[in-house]
Parts: sequence; C-alpha cells; structure tokens
Amino acid sequence: DTEVTQTPKHLVMGMTNKKSLKCEQHMGHRAMYWYKQKAKKPPELMFVYSYEKLSINESVPSRFSPECPNSSLLNLHLHALQPEDSALYLCASSQDPGAGTWNTDTQYFGPGTRLTVL
Amino acid sequence: GQQVMQIPQYQHVQEGEDFTTYCNSSTTLSNIQWYKQRPGGHPVFLIQLVKSGEVKKQKRLTFQFGEAKKNSSLHITATQTTDVGTYFCAGNAGNNRKLIWGLGTSLAVNP
Repeated sequence: DTEVTQTPKHLVMGMTNKKSLKCEQHMGHRAMYWYKQKAKKPPELMFVYSYEKLSINESVPSRFSPECPNSSLLNLHLHALQPEDSALYLCASSQDPGAGTWNTDTQYFGPGTRLTVL
Repeated sequence: GQQVMQIPQYQHVQEGEDFTTYCNSSTTLSNIQWYKQRPGGHPVFLIQLVKSGEVKKQKRLTFQFGEAKKNSSLHITATQTTDVGTYFCAGNAGNNRKLIWGLGTSLAVNP
C-alpha cells in the first residue's frame, strides 16, 4: 500500500480564518513533507519532518505552521493567509533511510488539498 | 543555484506517435526520479534511476540516466490517450535530501 491520504480535498478560506490541512500515511515511513504547487509548476518544498522532528523549513512564512503529532500524521496549520497562497498543497512521505542514502529514497504523494484564499 | 532544465515544455502528439522528454541538470545528480501528474491530479512516482548510464523500461516507457549523471530522458513508444499529463523529472544532488525539480513537460495526445 503506497497510499498517502489528505483532508480536506478542497478548502476555501478568508484571510482572517484559521484552518488546518491533514495528512496521514500507514506505510511506516519516517519522513513526511509539505509541498505547495501552483498551476503548471513543479511542487515547491515547504517543510520536511524526519522522525517527527522538523528537518527542513524552506523559509516559509510563519502564517504556515507545520505539526507532526506522530510518525503517521502531519498537519499544516493556516492563519492569516493571502490570496497568493491559493494553490494545491501536497503531502508526501518517504522511508527516510538516513543521511547518505537519500539517493534511494522515494517520495509518495497524497492527492493534495486545493486551497483557495479569498 | 542548482537547476534542472526540462524540454520540451509542451508536446502535442497524435495517438500512436512516440514522445520524449529530456532533463539536463547544472550539477551532478545522485539519482533521477520521474513523476507523472494527470490533469487535476497529484504527482505519481514512476521510477528512480541511480547508476550512471542506467536504462529502465516499464512497458512502453523507457528511462535513461546519462553517463555523467547530469541528464535523463523519458521515452514513450506509441502514445495512448492515457499517457496525457505532465511528466516531471526530479533529482537529489550530493547529500542534499531536497529534490531539484524540472519544470515538467505537458503531453497532449490526440485520439
């Protein structure tokens, strides 16, 4: 089973709202990722969690706040977003064999949450 | 910075014709991965190449990784309408776990 699930599928929110995106995987993967994808562009890395610790933050604005409650779950908390934050938000997971072996690590993507900020 | 150029940006073919997309990296990659994203969908992992000069086949799809590990290609033989989508290459450079992505090639297939 190579399934990563994400909820909700679609989300419309105002600039003053607070909402959360959720991601879950049951493949025993130890790395989880948040990506942002604009139309006709490749995914853009936002955060990486490795063994439930934040490993990479790609200088993402603080209005995006990630959380990894356990190795299977990943959340992205949203607050005071801007219209330009409208995009497809993708979660991914990988085994995370460790530094020096990432050249064999494969990321599996969830279906994404399509976010519209009004 | 590290970049992966991918060409062509778009390709329109008649069903049954062949299709190839190419990726060229400004830096040596430790691997190259290929993903397919259907319209309205999410990236789906197709394959990973790790060795210099490696060639892998999946039915009508042939993937190559260059000898210098800086370029790669994906060739589809006799395209079908189910091949429609955007094909992305992505790779790791050195010991960096962040994938460097190509901009993708959008394939349209006329039945």
